[in-house]
Amino acid sequence: SQQGEEDPQALSIQEGENATMNCSYKTSINNLQWYRQNSGRGLVHLILIRSNEREKHSGRLRVTLDTSKKSSSLLITASRAADTASYFCATDGGSRLTFGEGTQLTVNP
Amino acid sequence: DVKVTQSSRYLVKRTGEKVFLECVQDMDHENMFWYRQDPGLGLRLIYFSYDVKMKEKGDIPEGYSVSREKKERFSLILESASTNQTSMYLCASSLSVPTTDIQYFGAGTRLSVL
Repeated sequence: SQQGEEDPQALSIQEGENATMNCSYKTSINNLQWYRQNSGRGLVHLILIRSNEREKHSGRLRVTLDTSKKSSSLLITASRAADTASYFCATDGGSRLTFGEGTQLTVNP
Repeated sequence: DVKVTQSSRYLVKRTGEKVFLECVQDMDHENMFWYRQDPGLGLRLIYFSYDVKMKEKGDIPEGYSVSREKKERFSLILESASTNQTSMYLCASSLSVPTTDIQYFGAGTRLSVL
């Protein structure tokens, strides 16, 4: 089974609103990564958070990590139509990086 | 910037054909990966390679083989294509540690097997 599982599977919001996606995982990790995929394209790395970090920022992105709950969240503030994409978390709890099934975010203009 | 290039964006093949998917990276990365992506199943690792001529099976290696003769090139081979191999194939590379390093992806190859 997948190490990381995103929630919700799909999210639709209006431009300007914030979007929050969650990721839960099962085993201990060294780090957790978030990736973005535009429709029909490859994945692009967004941010990496280490197990000893609780929060990390990059531009309009904010990632939190709660190792006690084995969960992470990705917050996109002031969303734009161009943020429409699928977002994946990836964890290294096993012998390799394992990706979740993704959250499909739609930002309506 | 790291560039990972997949040789084809779209490919249509017939059942039973031998299919080669090529991937080249330009950043001297040690590790290269092949995934397939299907709706509802996320990304599944087929094979990865941590050095030239070294390979390891991923989660779904059946029906596939790989070749890495040079550091920058990693090929995925479908020995006898079947319709259930119709999918999006993604190649990725990472610097040194396959479990933790950031992965850089190609644009993907959408393969249809008829």
